Amino acid sequence: AQTVTQSQPEMSVQEAETVTLSCTYDTSESDYYLFWYKQPPSRQMILVIRQEAYKQQNATENRFSVNFQKAAKSFSLKISDSQLGDAAMYFCAYRGYTSGTYKYIFGTGTRLKVLA
Amino acid sequence: NAGVTQTPKFQVLKTGQSMTLQCAQDMNHEYMSWYRQDPGMGLRLIHYSVGAGITDQGEVPNGYNVSRSTTEDFPLRLLSAAPSQTSVYFCASSYTYHMTGDQPQHFGDGTRLSIL
Repeated sequence: AQTVTQSQPEMSVQEAETVTLSCTYDTSESDYYLFWYKQPPSRQMILVIRQEAYKQQNATENRFSVNFQKAAKSFSLKISDSQLGDAAMYFCAYRGYTSGTYKYIFGTGTRLKVLA
Repeated sequence: NAGVTQTPKFQVLKTGQSMTLQCAQDMNHEYMSWYRQDPGMGLRLIHYSVGAGITDQGEVPNGYNVSRSTTEDFPLRLLSAAPSQTSVYFCASSYTYHMTGDQPQHFGDGTRLSIL
């Protein structure tokens, strides 16, 4: 069965600095997708960035980028020039396709604090 | 375009009561799912559906029922509420894998449910 592990329950970063959130996963599938979601105190789930497993190039969305290491099954999120609005829970998610359907598997989340 | 709409946003129940959490989407998504979010455990899949008339169990289905009579609606029923079902519940929807592989899930705003 697939698993997603976020080993950092909480992280802190100074405003304007860079922080990296870790995510590892386990799967036997070769084709899958990975996502990072942000959950601010409002409780909304907001997509931050996505990565297709068959694409070697790391995805980038403005200040957010990933370091995707397929062989190591690692999918870390880098936030550059951190802003106070980046403070939130961040969830790593895996989506694969097995037995005729697909399911998302989420990590347990990393709470990011941004210090002024 | 309303996206995914969940009602109610908050609910308090007594042990043994039943209730239905409503979820509706207006994006013509085939795939819909229900998650529960508990502290330190991320999002866990309760039930999901790949189209009208088709549902299946996720990771934590016990105590919950679902049905999918239309593409738009995917209600979640608590049959006999227990304190262990106190949680935040999220409904999500997306296109299926075969249509647009990298489309992420769209989430509702969540329902905070307390069982006394």
